Amino acid sequence: SQQGEEDPQALSIQEGENATMNCSYKTSINNLQWYRQNSGRGLVHLILIRSNEREKHSGRLRVTLDTSKKSSSLLITASRAADTASYFCATDALRGGAQKLVFGQGTRLTINP
Amino acid sequence: DAGVIQSPRHEVTEMGQEVTLRCKPISGHDYLFWYRQTMMRGLELLIYFNNNVPIDDSGMPEDRFSAKMPNASFSTLKIQPSEPRDSAVYFCASRPVGGAEAFFGQGTRLTVV
Repeated sequence: SQQGEEDPQALSIQEGENATMNCSYKTSINNLQWYRQNSGRGLVHLILIRSNEREKHSGRLRVTLDTSKKSSSLLITASRAADTASYFCATDALRGGAQKLVFGQGTRLTINP
Repeated sequence: DAGVIQSPRHEVTEMGQEVTLRCKPISGHDYLFWYRQTMMRGLELLIYFNNNVPIDDSGMPEDRFSAKMPNASFSTLKIQPSEPRDSAVYFCASRPVGGAEAFFGQGTRLTVV
């Protein structure tokens, strides 16, 4: 089974509003990452937060991490039509001495102009 | 570097045929991941390699699936024989040792009829 689960599965908001997506995971992690996928394309890395960090910012992105609840959130402020995409969280799990990168189901975000 | 290169981009084949998907990771990256993406199951990790050695193939759905990495610059995912339920987008991703960010190829859209 996959490590991360995103919530909601789909989100539709108006341009200019903020979008919040959540991710829950099951096991201990070294870090948690968020990726974006435009339709028909590969995933692109957005931001990483380490297990000893609680919050991180990058431009209009804000990520939080609560290791006690095994959850993370991604906030996109002042959304734009170009932010329309699917967003995935990914966690690292150590197995056999090598890092295993596992993705959640994703949140499909639609920004309406 | 041109990024992770996958071929072909699209593949349509008849049930029972052998299918081979190819991936060239970014030079110098030690990790290579194969994922399968469908609407129903999301992004599934099939297998990953570290220094050309398969570390975890627990995600490979059946014995019909096999993957190899004969050298640091090439990997294949083979399905033999293919079935309609194998229809999906298959992604390859690579990552440098010590790095967390994974770099994805554009994917191969496989349709088995």
